[in-house]
Amino acid sequence: QSALTQPASVSGSPGQWITISCTGTSSDVGGYNYVSWYQHHPGRAPKLIIYDVSNRPSGVSNRFSGSKSGNTASLTISGLQTEDEADYYCNSYTSSSTMVFGGGTKVTVL
Amino acid sequence: QLQLQESGPGLVKASETLSLTCTVAGGSISNADYFWGWIRQPPGKGLEWIASIYYKGNTYYNLSLKSRVTISIDTSKNQFSLKLSSVTAADTAVYYCGRLGSFFRLVDYWGQGTLVTVSS
Repeated sequence: QSALTQPASVSGSPGQWITISCTGTSSDVGGYNYVSWYQHHPGRAPKLIIYDVSNRPSGVSNRFSGSKSGNTASLTISGLQTEDEADYYCNSYTSSSTMVFGGGTKVTVL
Repeated sequence: QLQLQESGPGLVKASETLSLTCTVAGGSISNADYFWGWIRQPPGKGLEWIASIYYKGNTYYNLSLKSRVTISIDTSKNQFSLKLSSVTAADTAVYYCGRLGSFFRLVDYWGQGTLVTVSS
């Protein structure tokens, strides 16, 4: 099972919006609406920010939103804030009854 | 509030077996709505799912690690465990335990993570 493909880095200025893509195949991202996204600050446990493609857990800012088209899922962060600087990982269920993460995207707030 | 805590040796010799336990507090590991799993992050690299287990004992493994991994569960102790055999330096990582939703659709609770270093 190959890792899902994410850009290595994305940057933006405070207040702007950015989008992170996550590309898989019809056996994972494209085949199921079970894509989740995690925010990971170094030294801390990852935090769930999006599940089932576009749902936000209670307490997660509405500046985070998710979507999917075909084999590619996307995470959008609007109104970028300095605290959003972190690594972001997508994840998908697969047809092999396993799960696979993306390679991770480092978000930098300029 | 559910809490997960990893425990085990922080240093393992190459070719030996890495053993970790995750203790779940504030909720039952026998909750039929969830799975339990292990995820790791090697230094400077991304997250990698290792294995998951259901309270009834159903197991699921990352195919690239399956030959070396065993995940088990002890509902009487509210714990689940990981064993990774024949470790090498490539197995050096922060190991996290977590609670997974059905279809592994999310990991909503994570342990703090524990660094395991493989020494030669």
